[in-house]
Order: sequence, then C-alpha cells, then structure tokens
Amino acid sequence: NAGVTQTPKFQVLKTGQSMTLQCAQDMNHEYMSWYRQDPGMGLRLIHYSVGAGITDQGEVPNGYNVSRSTTEDFPLRLLSAAPSQTSVYFCASSPPGAGNEKLFFGSGTQLSVL
Amino acid sequence: DQQVKQNSPSLSVQEGRISILNCDYTNSMFDYFLWYKKYPAEGPTFLISISSIKDKNEDGRFTVFLNKSAKHLSLHIVPSQPGDSAVYFCAASGDNAGNMLTFGGGTRLMVKP
Repeated sequence: NAGVTQTPKFQVLKTGQSMTLQCAQDMNHEYMSWYRQDPGMGLRLIHYSVGAGITDQGEVPNGYNVSRSTTEDFPLRLLSAAPSQTSVYFCASSPPGAGNEKLFFGSGTQLSVL
Repeated sequence: DQQVKQNSPSLSVQEGRISILNCDYTNSMFDYFLWYKKYPAEGPTFLISISSIKDKNEDGRFTVFLNKSAKHLSLHIVPSQPGDSAVYFCAASGDNAGNMLTFGGGTRLMVKP
C-alpha cells in the first residue's frame, strides 16, 4: 500500500515557468489537500478537495490551480512560478468524516524558483 | 497574523528527561488541537490530539495539556528518547472533520543520548 505519493521530490524552476506537482493516493480517500511549508510559518493550506469534481481554496491559493478529475489524483499547477513560491509542498488525504487524526501526508516536493 | 504560534524554534533535551513543547493560539473558535511529528524528508505524521472539552489527553509517553482560558497547549514527552528527535507541529481546527487545519511554525526537538 503506497499511501500518498508525490512527484517529483525536488524541482528547480526559473521565474515564469510553469509546472505541475503530482499527488496520488491509493487509499480511496475522498478528501485531498495541498499545503506549503515555509521556515517559521508551519504548513499553510493552499487548496483542498472533498471529492472528485469539487475543489476549494485554502489560506494561500494565489498563484496555484488545482483540479480533481479522479478520486486518486490531485495535481497542483503553478502557472507562472515566482521566487515567493520556493517552498516544500505537501499533499495530504483522508477518508470522509474520519477526523483530523486520519490526515495522511506525502513525503513532500521541495521546489526552488530562481 | 499567525493564529497558532510555537515560540520556541528549537529545544534540546537529555535522553530520559522530560521534553515540553509549547503552543499558543489566538482564535477562540478553535475546538480541536493536534500535534504532528515530522522527520527530515518525510511528511508530518499524527501524534496526539485533544478536543476543547478536555484539558488533558495521554498516549503512552506523550501527554497533551490544554488551557483554554490561556489559549495555550503543551506536549510533554516523558521519558524523551533519541528517536523523538524531530520537528513537532501544533495544529488547530474548528472541527474534527480533517479540513482547514491551521499549523504553528514548528519546534525542532533534539534529544541527546
């Protein structure tokens, strides 16, 4: 059972480039979310989805797009990367109504924007 | 403005002693509090939680205390072990639905043998 899988693990972009961070889970979880972790700031919620076809904004959504066409996948798109988006990105998932303890995180994608 | 704050970025403790990690929050609507543990190159993993109707929750070596009037919670680890060395995040939520967790900035705990 792979859990929550994020790819790539590391990425370097130039300002203005676009890219997609991939997230897949094989636990049939309805809820998926994206967080970014910055030094001293903890993890901040970017976007989340409560099921296929449904997405919503979190605390820091600007500069990011998401879609949820399947239960398994929840990609995060950076349309035009900026140095302020240099961060570590975590994807998480949980079953519906499971409670906060059941939030499973991927191992993260470290992104640097030059 | 951060609604959940961990004012100590790092903490060093001797093996076998008690580790106390602190967390303060400002939003009185928070009803559910959690601690996550994170090792390098891994995602955070759930450690222990407490709801606002309690003031203490214990799980083995880990105990979380909640002081609602002071908007303060703490995590006690007794006895501390070298394997406890990690970054600990405090998190809060208005419910227990797994959505919209607000995290603190984290405290790096180092347990020395």
